[in-house]
Amino acid sequence: GAVVSQHPSRVICKSGTSVKIECRSLDFQATTMFWYRQFPKQSLMLMATSNEGSKATYEQGVEKDKFLINHASLTLSTLTVTSAHPEDSSFYICSAGSGGLADTQYFGPGTRLTVL
Amino acid sequence: AQSVAQPEDQVNVAEGNPLTVKCTYSVSGNPYLFWYVQYPNRGLQFLLKYITGDNLVKGSYGFEAEFNKSQTSFHLKKPSALVSDSALYFCAVRIGNFNKFYFGSGTKLNVKP
Repeated sequence: GAVVSQHPSRVICKSGTSVKIECRSLDFQATTMFWYRQFPKQSLMLMATSNEGSKATYEQGVEKDKFLINHASLTLSTLTVTSAHPEDSSFYICSAGSGGLADTQYFGPGTRLTVL
Repeated sequence: AQSVAQPEDQVNVAEGNPLTVKCTYSVSGNPYLFWYVQYPNRGLQFLLKYITGDNLVKGSYGFEAEFNKSQTSFHLKKPSALVSDSALYFCAVRIGNFNKFYFGSGTKLNVKP
């Protein structure tokens, strides 16, 4: 199957700083990427849909100014957690597909964010 | 509203026995159904999907799932469980005209030697 990478895999930062997480589709072009957040022992919560060349679509309750998403190319989407606080600590996962509703979404390995 | 339900938080089976992880869905259109597996501190790995055609879908690692339209179910099965199958399993549905996935709450599968 297709490969999606995330970087970094783990990050620890101080409260008030910003953190950027990269999501890359390594062997295919992804017109759409999704960003999820997962709390311990819980399911994935969709945060936003990232569309190449256009603004991201955020789910209800997700602060777009807090979680900045940029999808500058067909292989890269970034999620920036601005002015991070301890409550932003979580496991962030991205997924990407090459298009179509029947298309399989391939998931990145996730990024563990810890805000001190 | 679109939804996916995994009624069991945890499933325990002995190695070598058959396993079933249940999933039901409620959607307002034709569903595309997926199963993913997640190992600790990892992303999700694709197992299989149902789009159309044969109701029995075969996927990775010996897993299969049966689409049952009348019962709106898509249960994941494997004839003989392995200890290495122990992980968190997610059912997901994608609906026409909606470009996103709806995930179930996840089922933790424990396979004991």
